[in-house]
Amino acid sequence: NAGVTQTPKFRVLKTGQSMTLLCAQDMNHEYMYWYRQDPGMGLRLIHYSVGEGTTAKGEVPDGYNVSRLKKQNFLLGLESAAPSQTSVYFCASSYERGGFSYNEQFFGPGTRLTVL
Amino acid sequence: ELKVEQNPLFLSMQEGKNYTIYCNYSTTSDRLYWYRQDPGKSLESLFVLLSNGAVKQEGRLMASLDTKARLSTLHITAAVHDLSATYFCAVDKGGVDSNYQLIWGAGTKLIIKP
Repeated sequence: NAGVTQTPKFRVLKTGQSMTLLCAQDMNHEYMYWYRQDPGMGLRLIHYSVGEGTTAKGEVPDGYNVSRLKKQNFLLGLESAAPSQTSVYFCASSYERGGFSYNEQFFGPGTRLTVL
Repeated sequence: ELKVEQNPLFLSMQEGKNYTIYCNYSTTSDRLYWYRQDPGKSLESLFVLLSNGAVKQEGRLMASLDTKARLSTLHITAAVHDLSATYFCAVDKGGVDSNYQLIWGAGTKLIIKP
């Protein structure tokens, strides 16, 4: 049981280049999230998904797109990278709990992205 | 809009001492989470607090939740170096359309010196 995995772990891009970050989870979780973490700012939600084929915007969605074609995978795309997107990106997942539900999220190891 | 504030943001303390990290939030919620992050690593869930008066303990860490005061505390007893990390609290956004979004505090960087 690998939990939540992210690919790649590190990446350096030039301004204007595009790339896709892959998040995969093997826990059969319904909910998946993409965050960015910047120094002193905690975690900020970029996009999230409540199930296969669904996506929604979070707090800071501009410049990013996502897709969730399969339940276990959640992709984050940068179409035209900018230096402001230099950050550490974390993927997380959680599952629907019956009754009194709550949202303990499980995190991947992160992707460190630098945009020059 | 829900806001989550932690204080202090940075804490340097000696081994063996006790201290408390505070997490305040601005709107009604009864679901609060504490996470730990080691440098360069991912986030690890520590505690899930789900009701007013909830208290959870794990080793030298104890977390509590007062939903009326909109305050959670993470208390460290007799600190040891291994507890050095950044600690985050997060609160369920709540509401019909929240889809279990969490709002995060900025984190408290804790350094414990021998």
